[in-house]
Amino acid sequence: TQLLEQSPQFLSIQEGENLTVYCNSSSVFSSLQWYRQEPGEGPVLLVTVVTGGEVKKLKRLTFQFGDARKDSSLHITAAQPGDTGLYLCALYSSNTGKLIFGQGTTLQVKP
Amino acid sequence: EAGVAQSPRYKIIEKRQSVAFWCNPISGHATLYWYQQILGQGPKLLIQFQNNGVVDDSQLPKDRFSAERLKGVDSTLKIQPAKLEDSAVYLCASSPYSGGVLYEQYFGPGTRLTVT
Repeated sequence: TQLLEQSPQFLSIQEGENLTVYCNSSSVFSSLQWYRQEPGEGPVLLVTVVTGGEVKKLKRLTFQFGDARKDSSLHITAAQPGDTGLYLCALYSSNTGKLIFGQGTTLQVKP
Repeated sequence: EAGVAQSPRYKIIEKRQSVAFWCNPISGHATLYWYQQILGQGPKLLIQFQNNGVVDDSQLPKDRFSAERLKGVDSTLKIQPAKLEDSAVYLCASSPYSGGVLYEQYFGPGTRLTVT
């Protein structure tokens, strides 16, 4: 079974700071998705990465997929209180339509 | 477009009682998923339906959990009898997935279950 490890598990920062969240696996990803989950809501898809070395940007969020396709990172520039939430990486299998989630990183951005 | 609907949003029961959760997926979505999310963890897949057939229920504790998807649309998840460790958020998701292509899963708001 392929497992995902996310780090750190919890992050508390001040508004305006930068941060990076990591997602690692012992085996190669076929494709990886990043989700954000706000309290009382379900996860919402942020991005899908499928190609080794791929970089995608979503406003202040930058997503990287490692060259060997065994790791990914999410970098947030100038964090805002609205970025507060649980960030989840997930392996997606197009063969089965299944997602396997990491344990998540809880981000708290203080004003 | 309406999202995935779930009810109830919150439920408190005593151990050994029964509980049922309901999910209405996005119209036209072939695949429906139920996840369990324990506080501080990522969601764990319990069961996956494609239309009204079960694709994967390997993580479903079948001695106490059951699920069905009526006419390939709405779904219910039942726990009988509940244990303390069943306290979690139960998420329903749906997707247009019908094989071989990468699709997004759309999640409902979840039902928060507390077993006392």
